[in-house]
Amino acid sequence: KNQVEQSPQSLIILEGKNCTLQCNYTVSPFSNLRWYKQDTGRGPVSLTIMTFSENTKSNGRYTATLDADTKQSSLHITASQLSDSASYICVVLEYGNKLVFGAGTILRVKS
Amino acid sequence: DGGITQSPKYLFRKEGQNVTLSCEQNLNHDAMYWYRQDPGQGLRLIYYSQIVNDFQKGDIAEGYSVSREKKESFPLTVTSAQKNPTAFYLCASNRGDRGTNQPQHFGDGTRLSIL
Repeated sequence: KNQVEQSPQSLIILEGKNCTLQCNYTVSPFSNLRWYKQDTGRGPVSLTIMTFSENTKSNGRYTATLDADTKQSSLHITASQLSDSASYICVVLEYGNKLVFGAGTILRVKS
Repeated sequence: DGGITQSPKYLFRKEGQNVTLSCEQNLNHDAMYWYRQDPGQGLRLIYYSQIVNDFQKGDIAEGYSVSREKKESFPLTVTSAQKNPTAFYLCASNRGDRGTNQPQHFGDGTRLSIL
């Protein structure tokens, strides 16, 4: 069964610190991997999209990495801000047009 | 500004009642989607439409119905047959079909609860 597993489930960090969120997937065949940010009570907003040939992609303080061989991705947040508090969702597009969503990692940034 | 508008923000359903969730987009996107989000779970696809007057069932279509009479609009009806309707419902859209590298744009959701 195609799955996307994210870890940790939740994370609390101090403002200004860095953190890394993990995503492991078993989706095959694979087309691309996406990271979304979802604020509480809002819809998800796209951060990055990577195809299998891309190893890293940045969007401001957010940097996503992808290892298609080990089927792992990470999202690194640099110099965290209070506004980074949200759920971060990893989504894998299976070749053949099916999106498989992870359950998300809830990040809380404390001052 | 272009975007997706979902209404209402909160909705309450009485037992045996059908309720309809609205989704409107002004992004000129061909494809539209409905997802259900439950705590601790990934989004699950209910229905999707790639073109006006055509739509397909997703993974959890039972107890739901949709229509696509206009490109801009994709309403979702939660029928009385859906026995566990309490969830956060998200509408999304993008260009082309689901296989593109274009990200899906999401609305801000409707939270449905049972009275």
